[in-house]
Amino acid sequence: NAGVTQTPKFQVLKTGQSMTLQCAQDMNHEYMSWYRQDPGMGLRLIHYSVGAGITDQGEVPNGYNVSRSTTEDFPLRLLSAAPSQTSVYFCASRRPGQGASGANVLTFGAGSRLTVL
Amino acid sequence: AQSVTQLGSHVSVSEGALVLLRCNYSSSVPPYLFWYVQYPNQGLQLLLKYTSAATLVKGINGFEAEFKKSETSFHLTKPSAHMSDAAEYFCAVTYSGGSNYKLTFGKGTLLTVNP
Repeated sequence: NAGVTQTPKFQVLKTGQSMTLQCAQDMNHEYMSWYRQDPGMGLRLIHYSVGAGITDQGEVPNGYNVSRSTTEDFPLRLLSAAPSQTSVYFCASRRPGQGASGANVLTFGAGSRLTVL
Repeated sequence: AQSVTQLGSHVSVSEGALVLLRCNYSSSVPPYLFWYVQYPNQGLQLLLKYTSAATLVKGINGFEAEFKKSETSFHLTKPSAHMSDAAEYFCAVTYSGGSNYKLTFGKGTLLTVNP
C-alpha cells in the first residue's frame, strides 16, 4: 500500500547508544519531516526536508541528525541517545503544491516508539 | 511565531451528545488551519482543513469546524458523538506565505465517549 513506512515500530536503547529510525514514502512527496510526540506536548517538529539534498531544523533538533539522499527516504539518526529522547516519533510527508490546493496536508507514518534507559 | 492553543486536554461526552473541541490560533497573516485525529497506537489522519475558502469546513466522520477570524478560533464540532470518535484530536496551523512547510500542532485534546 502507498504511504509512509517507518521502521522499527519499537526500540529500546541504553543511554549513549546510537540508532537510526527509518522512514520511506512511495508517493513521490518532496517534503518529509520528523516529529516527536510526548504526553501533553503535542507534536514537535525535529527536522524537515523540502527535497533531496536539502534539510533544515525544526523546533527541537538537538540530538538528532538527518539526511536526504533520495526523494523516498528520510532517516533520523540519534548519535548518542539520552533518556530525554524517549518518545514516539512520527515521520510525515507532503505532496508538492503551494497555496490552498496543496496546503500542507501531511501523510503520517504509524510511528516508532523509542525508549532510552 | 505561529501557534495554536487547544482548550482542554481532556473532554468527556456521552454517546449522542454534542462534541465541541476548542482551538485558538495566533496569527498576523492569514492562516491555514487543520484538525487531525489520532486513534490509539496509530499515526495522525486529517479530519479537515481550512484554506481561506468557505469558513465552515466539513470533514470526515461528520465533523465540521468554523473559522472565525474575529475570535481567532477554529473549533471542531460534531452534533452526535459515537463511541468510535474516542481518540486524540490535534489542531494545527501554518501560513500561506513564507516558510509554509512548518505545521505547528497544538498539545492535543483527548476525547472520551461514554456509553
